[in-house]
Amino acid sequence: RKEVEQDPGPFNVPEGATVAFNCTYSNSASQSFFWYRQDCRKEPKLLMSVYSSGNEDGRFTAQLNRASQYISLLIRDSKLSDSATYLCVVGGGSQGNLIFGKGTKLSVKP
Amino acid sequence: GAVVSQHPSWVICKSGTSVKIECRSLDFQATTMFWYRQFPKQSLMLMATSNEGSKATYEQGVEKDKFLINHASLTLSTLTVTSAHPEDSSFYICSASLIRDTQYFGPGTRLTVL
Repeated sequence: RKEVEQDPGPFNVPEGATVAFNCTYSNSASQSFFWYRQDCRKEPKLLMSVYSSGNEDGRFTAQLNRASQYISLLIRDSKLSDSATYLCVVGGGSQGNLIFGKGTKLSVKP
Repeated sequence: GAVVSQHPSWVICKSGTSVKIECRSLDFQATTMFWYRQFPKQSLMLMATSNEGSKATYEQGVEKDKFLINHASLTLSTLTVTSAHPEDSSFYICSASLIRDTQYFGPGTRLTVL
């Protein structure tokens, strides 16, 4: 089983749509969780951290379910500029290393 | 704040040559730096973790003699791809960490080996 697994995608949605990404992780001892965004041929950029209580940042909502080892990201009112690959990332390695999922590509169309 | 630079941003070299990539934390001192590699349509794969002044810790399957890492100061780490071959062509990204689980990524270096 891969350490971090994500929806395969791609997701092609119209502007204004709501889209949800899911992710599962295998290591129950993982301590920190993130969603990163990566644009084509660019480095990943932190979108938001994910907390057990759930957290929201504008149109973006992240949820963590430790019991199910499941993380989600909800994007409301999609914009063209949201088109990117979204990476589910899990931390907690002995040296603070991060483990990246393969990413889910989102294309928002006009 | 928390800016990480990489140089060069892209490089094309002949098979058999060595290529050095620099990673610098510009406005903070990084206790740990990480080197990743990303092949097209694949996830970032951690290659090695380096702490200033000590030997890098390589991930399984990454040849330490081929990918030389030097972390001479708290703001600079270098990755040298020795005797590069076409299969080493990839997007190499470094990150720098000040506190645990928080990494700031460099813009990446695209290596093409002919």
